[in-house]
Amino acid sequence: GAVVSQHPSRVICKSGTSVKIECRSLDFQATTMFWYRQFPKKSLMLMATSNEGSKATYEQGVEKDKFLINHASLTLSTLTVTSAHPEDSSFYICSALEQAFNQPQHFGDGTRLSIL
Amino acid sequence: DAKTTQPTSMDCAEGRAANLPCNHSTISGNEYVYWYRQIHSQGPQYIIHGLKNNETNEMASLIITEDRKSSTLILPHATLRDTAVYYCIVRVAGGNEKLTFGTGTRLTIIP
Repeated sequence: GAVVSQHPSRVICKSGTSVKIECRSLDFQATTMFWYRQFPKKSLMLMATSNEGSKATYEQGVEKDKFLINHASLTLSTLTVTSAHPEDSSFYICSALEQAFNQPQHFGDGTRLSIL
Repeated sequence: DAKTTQPTSMDCAEGRAANLPCNHSTISGNEYVYWYRQIHSQGPQYIIHGLKNNETNEMASLIITEDRKSSTLILPHATLRDTAVYYCIVRVAGGNEKLTFGTGTRLTIIP
């Protein structure tokens, strides 16, 4: 089956640091990738939709200058949390959508970000 | 996308079939029913999806009512590893449509 790799799986950083998370589709091409955020005991909340070669589309309330998204190739999207603060601590999850019709999104295993 | 309603939690004995219901009474004709599950501290895992016919794969079966207003995900022989939160989502197939996750059903498999 389709595999999405997310790296790193866990990050612990000091406040003010910028953190980059990578999302790769390993065995398929993905023109569209999605970034989600999940707080403890809550459901996934979509942050942004990332399209290869164009600007990401952010959901209402998500700061685009805070969460920088780059989708430079059909197999890689990155999320950079800039100047992270403790309130940015969360579980970040990406998903990738195959180019073929009627294919499901496949998810990475998530990145647990902890800002001290 | 149409909204879905699922029970908050369910228990099932190990080895038995787990039947997870989902209501989607406002589903449109071009919307598919997708099921994902999320095991603790992992990303969601795709299980199955369907439009109007019943579907089966190596993980589960999906039964969709004739009026498409509800569906049931069936795990035929539940194991402890099936303990997870199960999400039923409806969305239009094709294009770049995003998934909207509700609260899902927390399924606990009892030894």
